[in-house]
Amino acid sequence: ETGVTQTPRHLVMGMTNKKSLKCEQHLGHNAMYWYKQSAKKPLELMFVYSLEERVENNSVPSRFSPECPNSSHLFLHLHTLQPEDSALYLCASSQAPSGGGTDTQYFGPGTRLTVL
Amino acid sequence: GQNIDQPTEMTATEGAIVQINCTYQTSGFNGLFWYQQHAGEAPTFLSYNVLDGLEEKGRFSSFLSRSKGYSYLLLKELQMKDSASYLCAVRDSNYQLIWGAGTKLIIKP
Repeated sequence: ETGVTQTPRHLVMGMTNKKSLKCEQHLGHNAMYWYKQSAKKPLELMFVYSLEERVENNSVPSRFSPECPNSSHLFLHLHTLQPEDSALYLCASSQAPSGGGTDTQYFGPGTRLTVL
Repeated sequence: GQNIDQPTEMTATEGAIVQINCTYQTSGFNGLFWYQQHAGEAPTFLSYNVLDGLEEKGRFSSFLSRSKGYSYLLLKELQMKDSASYLCAVRDSNYQLIWGAGTKLIIKP
């Protein structure tokens, strides 16, 4: 595997379910990100981890719970979601969150989440 | 507040040239990025500008004017595979990326 991978690619869940999204990066990066992408809206940054420490939490509802067990893996635990949470959830990684130069973020293919 | 503006949708003809504009108002500036995103796929990095001027990379070029808060992405010799959304993002003084909503580019034969 190369780059950034995400599983599952598609997920349908009820509002009372508990599920987890998984992200893995094979780039040796130090920072990982969760974004929410809704149709015709800008990417919304949800969480940032740098060296496994959470450095950003943009007022995300507590029904979304991130976990970063090591610098290569990132999870997003979901529980009691609402239909408006249906969106594409993208994971990204970069060398460092506040690095100089380009510090380009590389994205995974996303998980298309539908909440019924 | 911070804001990135880009057209919602553009249409162009195969073989032609198209320019996608992006204007921004952010708290500080530490570089501007362009990404390409095909439907159902990951955004992929296209270009980075931090100094004024034009950066050319094959058929794609990106221009930046920091004084005007303005950038454009120029695509030449358009191919059908260039049909995608193009995302503009600015890194602010906190090194956080502020994203535009993206421009959907439709290429017609």
